[in-house]
Amino acid sequence: DAKTTQPNSMESNEEEPVHLPCNHSTISGTDYIHWYRQLPSQGPEYVIHGLTSNVNNRMASLAIAEDRKSSTLILHRATLRDAAVYYCILRPVNRDDKIIFGKGTRLHILP
Amino acid sequence: DTGVSQDPRHKITKRGQNVTFRCDPISEHNRLYWYRQTLGQGPEFLTYFQNEAQLEKSRLLSDRFSAERPKGSFSTLEIQRTEQGDSAMYLCASTGLLDTQYFGPGTRLTVL
Repeated sequence: DAKTTQPNSMESNEEEPVHLPCNHSTISGTDYIHWYRQLPSQGPEYVIHGLTSNVNNRMASLAIAEDRKSSTLILHRATLRDAAVYYCILRPVNRDDKIIFGKGTRLHILP
Repeated sequence: DTGVSQDPRHKITKRGQNVTFRCDPISEHNRLYWYRQTLGQGPEFLTYFQNEAQLEKSRLLSDRFSAERPKGSFSTLEIQRTEQGDSAMYLCASTGLLDTQYFGPGTRLTVL
């Protein structure tokens, strides 16, 4: 699986937007960009995924660069409950096997 | 749909003892995965089942580790002759027709 690069940690103030970056310069044309997050003392949970176009769901938005070599997860209004480790993952289309996790970005939310 | 459940949530054992963990996936999910997570690291893949067939095993899964999914529903992960290096969070996940993996809360193992 292709590698991704994320900052080790980020801080944001409560009720402000958060932009979590991810670089994936070796992405292939069939790789989807997935984001999972892991709240303290819990298993990871799915956040969002996309291929080329920007995506929105109830949890977040995913902005994908035109060349697909980077992407940004956007939390529009961070709350204390969004404090977690966020993982950016590349997964080939039509593959249903294991997820290769990196270390992710630990997001701290300041009240 | 009650989500993926794991039992026990915490296990403390002495070095050399055997331990067994259980995972109950979301009903009708035919794929089940085991991962291990140590402090400060992301989860690492251990093994994967499609129904009752174990399709892939990581090199992390030494011969002291064995996993089963006898009827294609729940799964067990056994560690024999535990070592202190086995201390970790053991996570289970399942998927259905879509690719999203749903994770359980994990079993935290401490080997003294």
